[in-house]
This record gives sequence, structure tokens and C-alpha cells, in this order.
Amino acid sequence: KAGVTQTPRYLIKTRGQQVTLSCSPISGHRSVSWYQQTPGQGLQFLFEYFSETQRNKGNFPGRFSGRQFSNSRSEMNVSTLELGDSALYLCASSSDLATQETQYFGPGTRLLVL
Amino acid sequence: GESVGLHLPTLSVQEGDNSIINCAYSNSASDYFIWYKQESGKGPQFIIDIRSNMDKRQGQRVTVLLNKTVKHLSLQIAATQPGDSAVYFCAESGADSWGKLQFGAGTQVVVTP
Repeated sequence: KAGVTQTPRYLIKTRGQQVTLSCSPISGHRSVSWYQQTPGQGLQFLFEYFSETQRNKGNFPGRFSGRQFSNSRSEMNVSTLELGDSALYLCASSSDLATQETQYFGPGTRLLVL
Repeated sequence: GESVGLHLPTLSVQEGDNSIINCAYSNSASDYFIWYKQESGKGPQFIIDIRSNMDKRQGQRVTVLLNKTVKHLSLQIAATQPGDSAVYFCAESGADSWGKLQFGAGTQVVVTP
């Protein structure tokens, strides 16, 4: 089976712009979670989607949003980018995280905000 | 201003020795624990997990121990190899936080020849 894929792998944006990141989960997986990883804060949970519904949300401002499509692919969007949004954004999928099925991570999208 | 990064504890291990990585958790409601390995430039890679109804679980060259009394988790790596050099994270979830994983700060493991 192919693993979790994320596109693009690298991205450079300027402050005030918006960005959309994409994640394709492992085939058959319906749960997709997003995390932000920075040297200062470590790995922080953004949100989780299951069957096109957001089930859980972390403590991030409303500029961070996401969605999931019927094929389980997910996108996350960050509007009005700030310098502090520079990070590695990781997507992870599982068959159903709520039943504690194993969560597998993609390689991440490295976002640099200038 | 200058950002301050997390200070990752570092474990230096000689090749062939056993490694023990520790993790403390604070949420008594956590009942599912996972260890991930992250190499530079890559996403976290699943190593092993354990549920709260178990004290020990073994995988290939790895063992996870769970002590719920003191809220402590450890990962033991047998016969550490250069390819084991990475940052290791413990993560937890529970009935009050299903659907999301809470990650620890991580431990940098450096394997020396």
C-alpha cells in the first residue's frame, strides 16, 4: 500500500498570503489528522477529520481551517499568513483514530513564511 | 525576537548497546500510547503502541513498558544501530481526547560507533 502523501513538499509564501496544503491518506483510511511541528512548540495537533466531518480541533486560531473530501483526501488552509506559521505541517491517517487504530504520518509540507 | 526552541534531551548510545528512552505523561485518562521515530527531513514513523490494559509489549528489537501508577512510559531498543539515530516521540490519547494525539517533546538519540 502507498503511504500518506502530502503536496507540496516545500512552499515559500509571504506574510498576508494564504496557503492550501493537500494530504492523501493511505487507501482505506477515513481519519485524517493535521499537526504543526516547530522547533519552539514541537508537534501540535491542529484538527482531525473523519468521513468529511471535523471531529476534533486543537487550539489554533480560525485562520487555520481544513476539510475532507468524500475520497478521504484532506486539505488544510491557512489564511493571512504570519511569520510564526513557518513550520512543518504533517498529515496523518488511520482507519479510525477514535478506536485507537494506528496513525501513520506523511513526510510533511515545509512552509516558510517571509 | 529570537525564538527559543525546545531543548531536546539527548541520549548518546554506543552501537550495539541497548537504549532506554523515557517519557512521562500527566493525563490519567490517557489509555493509548505510541512511540514514533522521526529522522531528519521525514515525518514521524510508527514504532510500537501499547494500550493501558497492558504493561509491556514487544516488537522487533523494541519493547515498550507502561507504568500507569507513576504515569511513565519507556521504549527500549536492543542492540542499537546507527540507523536508530533519530528523535523519538511518545504520544498519548484517551477517552477524553480521542481523535487527537498529544506528543511529548522528544528525545534525540545519537548512536556512536
